[in-house]
Amino acid sequence: GAVVSQHPSRVICKSGTSVKIECRSLDFQATTMFWYRQFPKKSLMLMATSNEGSKATYEQGVEKDKFLINHASLTLSTLTVTSAHPEDSSFYICSARSPGGQETQYFGPGTRLLVL
Amino acid sequence: AQSVTQLGSHVSVSEGALVLLRCNYSSSVPPYLFWYVQYPNQGLQLLLKYTTGATLVKGINGFEAEFKKSETSFHLTKPSAHMSDAAEYFCAVRGGGNKLVFGAGTILRVKS
Repeated sequence: GAVVSQHPSRVICKSGTSVKIECRSLDFQATTMFWYRQFPKKSLMLMATSNEGSKATYEQGVEKDKFLINHASLTLSTLTVTSAHPEDSSFYICSARSPGGQETQYFGPGTRLLVL
Repeated sequence: AQSVTQLGSHVSVSEGALVLLRCNYSSSVPPYLFWYVQYPNQGLQLLLKYTTGATLVKGINGFEAEFKKSETSFHLTKPSAHMSDAAEYFCAVRGGGNKLVFGAGTILRVKS
């Protein structure tokens, strides 16, 4: 149980285009999902908390207009990198919080974004 | 505020030897603590967690960790390393808003 998927696993795009990454909880409903960014050889940096049916909460320093988050259902959150630039190239990982108060986050496999 | 310190960015052990990855935390509230493992180009997999109750927590793949409040530690151990254990390991503490605060990670290398 507690499987989280991400799509796509890898994407290459041209500078200036927008890229959408999907995060799905496959076998449980997640009212809260989290989006992280991981730089090479670095730890995970929390970008934002995504709450179903409401606006996402962004961490300090994260541009909300650049990283659009939508949590339209209890099993799906999307992250759209708008007008992507090479510096946005990174490994993006989502997680979904388990229900029932155990406060465990289950992570997706990650999406490797390369902006040329 | 919560924080996590992982001592040693790289740890190298021989196959069959004891694995010890160190984690110290800081928390203003009773902590929920987690260890995750990450294989190259993959997401994080939960190894084990401590919330309340028994301080010695057993996880998957033969790993275990002991919560020591007096030492503010949550070190990860495994009696006998296997080649497949080579990966990066992250310790995390639950922070405000149920966010996870991660340590910097420890890369475990297993020598044959």
